Amino acid sequence: QSALTQEASVSGTVGQRVTLSCSGNNNNIGSYDVGWYQQTPHGAPKTVMLGNSLPSGIPARFSGSKSGTTASLTISGLQPEDEGEYYCSTWDSNLRAHVFGPGTQVSV
Amino acid sequence: QVQLAESGGGVVQPGGSLRLACVTSGFNFRSFGMHWVRQAPGKGLQWVALSRIDDPNVYYADSVKGRFTVSRDNSKNTLYLQMNNLTPDDTAVYFCARDRWSLGVQIASWGQGVPVVVSS
Repeated sequence: QSALTQEASVSGTVGQRVTLSCSGNNNNIGSYDVGWYQQTPHGAPKTVMLGNSLPSGIPARFSGSKSGTTASLTISGLQPEDEGEYYCSTWDSNLRAHVFGPGTQVSV
Repeated sequence: QVQLAESGGGVVQPGGSLRLACVTSGFNFRSFGMHWVRQAPGKGLQWVALSRIDDPNVYYADSVKGRFTVSRDNSKNTLYLQMNNLTPDDTAVYFCARDRWSLGVQIASWGQGVPVVVSS
């Protein structure tokens, strides 16, 4: 049972805007920024968003936001290469642990 | 650029031990927190441990507490994970990862991962 919840899957067409959500509580998302990671089959995770900051090399169609205990990752202008599993994570002060969401499968 | 290279994985019998190493480059190793994260076959990412720089404590997931030990050698820019009393549930790809800063809140960079198989 993960401390964070995510949609199991999200799908869209090329060029469409999609939003992934990551919900937690005041001990994690309500207190700390969230990281977002993309993972393709048999590959290592890649960081695509740190809070609302875009890491170097990540396309500007990715954006991040947070409201209360829910964080969101938006892909504006979905591309075929955006397919993959997306995980969110942050620190949990009650668990004294870094926690991951179960992941959202994005299909294009 | 930031590079993280894990090594030391392999096949080990239940009850056995392994030590993973993560050699880093491209950043000031002493200034960043470092994580170990694992992924069992067909499963999601599971956090294993965090080594902060501003806190002598190392934080561990409950599933590995008392069996796994993280250490770092700042002179070699290397992070280690000593894994003892391994069980089949520890079978996974183990990733070394650099924190965005040191607080353990966000992971900025990842290694390619190293497989660990616990089987008789």
